[in-house]
Amino acid sequence: DVKVTQSSRYLVKRTGEKVFLECVQDMDHENMFWYRQDPGLGLRLIYFSYDVKMKEKGDIPEGYSVSREKKERFSLILESASTNQTSMYLCATKRAGLNRETQYFGPGTRLLVL
Amino acid sequence: GNSVTQMEGPVTLSEEAFLTINCTYTATGYPSLFWYVQYPGEGLQLLLKATKADDKGSNKGFEATYRKETTSFHLEKGSVQVSDSAVYFCALSEDYGQNFVFGPGTRLSVLP
Repeated sequence: DVKVTQSSRYLVKRTGEKVFLECVQDMDHENMFWYRQDPGLGLRLIYFSYDVKMKEKGDIPEGYSVSREKKERFSLILESASTNQTSMYLCATKRAGLNRETQYFGPGTRLLVL
Repeated sequence: GNSVTQMEGPVTLSEEAFLTINCTYTATGYPSLFWYVQYPGEGLQLLLKATKADDKGSNKGFEATYRKETTSFHLEKGSVQVSDSAVYFCALSEDYGQNFVFGPGTRLSVLP
């Protein structure tokens, strides 16, 4: 069974703090993704990675960075958190290759920046 | 570029009513199409998918048919239950990319 876990379900941080969100998968998938989900805006892709140490910007990368040192782990970093980064953050993974492959999602991290 | 449009809702139905959530897409090439469901406080789960024209995906009483001529992938269920209350996302997987394109989501509330 596919399993994608995220380090926290809920997180409260202060403006200016450095924030780490971790995602771990056990399916040996090559591709990993970070999205944020906001009411009325749907899912927006922040960054994705198609291999260890590789990363690509998504639609809204500003204010974020990522790290993928191991295949199973993909971290999202907020260098200096701001209130407009309060959101639900979703990690997803997918096997590389054909477009019929499914994306599998973690349970999400709801981040509040005060 | 590629895009997905779906009715935003909210959609409110009584238990045992018929459900349709419309989804249309714009894509070059031959994408795969997906419906995901998100229950309150959780991540997205795959509900069903179809990978080529005229394919029908089905799961848990939900169905959707990949219609290339109308570029649509409408979600249907013959008799909804209170437990179907959730947000439903239509998505496509690009032909030669690794990314998905998601619709805005449709919130469904089913009343007893």
